[in-house]
Amino acid sequence: KQEVTQIPAALSVPEGENLVLNCSFTDSAIYNLQWFRQDPGKGLTSLLLIQSSQREQTSGRLNASLDKSSGRSTLYIAASQPGDSATYLCAATSGSRLTFGEGTQLTVNP
Amino acid sequence: GAGVSQTPSNKVTEKGKYVELRCDPISGHTALYWYRQSLGQGPEFLIYFQGTGAADDSGLPNDRFFAVRPEGSVSTLKIQRTERGDSAMYLCASSLMGGRETQYFGPGTRLLVL
Repeated sequence: KQEVTQIPAALSVPEGENLVLNCSFTDSAIYNLQWFRQDPGKGLTSLLLIQSSQREQTSGRLNASLDKSSGRSTLYIAASQPGDSATYLCAATSGSRLTFGEGTQLTVNP
Repeated sequence: GAGVSQTPSNKVTEKGKYVELRCDPISGHTALYWYRQSLGQGPEFLIYFQGTGAADDSGLPNDRFFAVRPEGSVSTLKIQRTERGDSAMYLCASSLMGGRETQYFGPGTRLLVL
């Protein structure tokens, strides 16, 4: 059974800092790895999807990497802004489902 | 174009009652998913539809939970004899064909069972 873990559970940084969120998964037989953003009381917004054959994906200030052999993914956020404050979730796709971590709650202070 | 929509956005009910939660996927998406998210946790898979059929319902917690998608578009999640432990955010997602593709999520229905 796939298990996904995210570290840290919470992170508070000053505006402008670069930061890294970590995600690990136990079963490397995944189709892809997705990163989502969730604002309080809201649904999920897809940020990046990395296929199992890829090593990284970039979108604007976001860069996600994937190392299937070690069961790890990272989300790098450059030049953080207060509007980046949210919970970030990673999810591994196996078969028909996403298996999510518990998320990292990010606060970017002005 | 329109994204995934869910109704109602909030539902308050009493223990023992029956509730229905509705999901409208993105037009043309054949795959539809239901997830449940408890406070402070990541979403957990409930059921996956490919077209009209439930291709994987192994995440449904017990036989009080049932979902349908009769015409391959709108889906309804049905919960019988609700319990306080059913209180959670219920999220629906759709993707074009399933499998390796991006799942697009709706805003969720927050269910509170008193």
